[in-house]
Amino acid sequence: GDSVTQMEGPVTLSEEAFLTINCTYTATGYPSLFWYVQYPGEGLQLLLKATKADDKGSNKGFEATYRKETTSFHLEKGSVQVSDSAVYFCALGDTGRRALTFGSGTRLQVQP
Amino acid sequence: SAVISQKPSRDICQRGTSLTIQCQVDSQVTMMFWYRQQPGQSLTLIATANQGSEATYESGFVIDKFPISRPNLTFSTLTVSNMSPEDSSIYLCSVKEVAGELFFGEGSRLTVL
Repeated sequence: GDSVTQMEGPVTLSEEAFLTINCTYTATGYPSLFWYVQYPGEGLQLLLKATKADDKGSNKGFEATYRKETTSFHLEKGSVQVSDSAVYFCALGDTGRRALTFGSGTRLQVQP
Repeated sequence: SAVISQKPSRDICQRGTSLTIQCQVDSQVTMMFWYRQQPGQSLTLIATANQGSEATYESGFVIDKFPISRPNLTFSTLTVSNMSPEDSSIYLCSVKEVAGELFFGEGSRLTVL
């Protein structure tokens, strides 16, 4: 079945550091890929998405590129802020009737 | 995107009792799902809420423990029955847009004593 693997957390960075959170997937067909963010005490929010190979999703300074050859969708940001501290979930799915499959989540802690 | 309201947002419950969580969407949606997020864990799909018919449950989840209703295209309920401390989790209602992404309610945080 479909699965998503994320790097273990927590990831601790200083403000303005470069961020990479790794995500790889296993899926049949050609899924869409997503990153969600969960701020402390809140629900999940869609951060960005990509629907086909080589697509780049971007939002709020975050980017991720759908790499079919490496089955990856790594999340990057050039300069993190304290307000980016949250848990980030990678997910995959399709436009059909099935729910999304989520990775285990990676906690990011950004220190001033 | 759809706006999803869940209630209660949090509750503290006694062992052996049941609690019903409500999910209201501001527009008609075809696909609605219930997830569970145990403390410090990822999201686990409980079931797909089907309008006008029985929900479709994932492996490890049964209707007697998690009965779900979906009387129309904007509303669903999830009941957590005969609760134990292991049921302490955040329960999330979500809807799927045509483009494929899921949108979530704020979640219902249950603590079972």
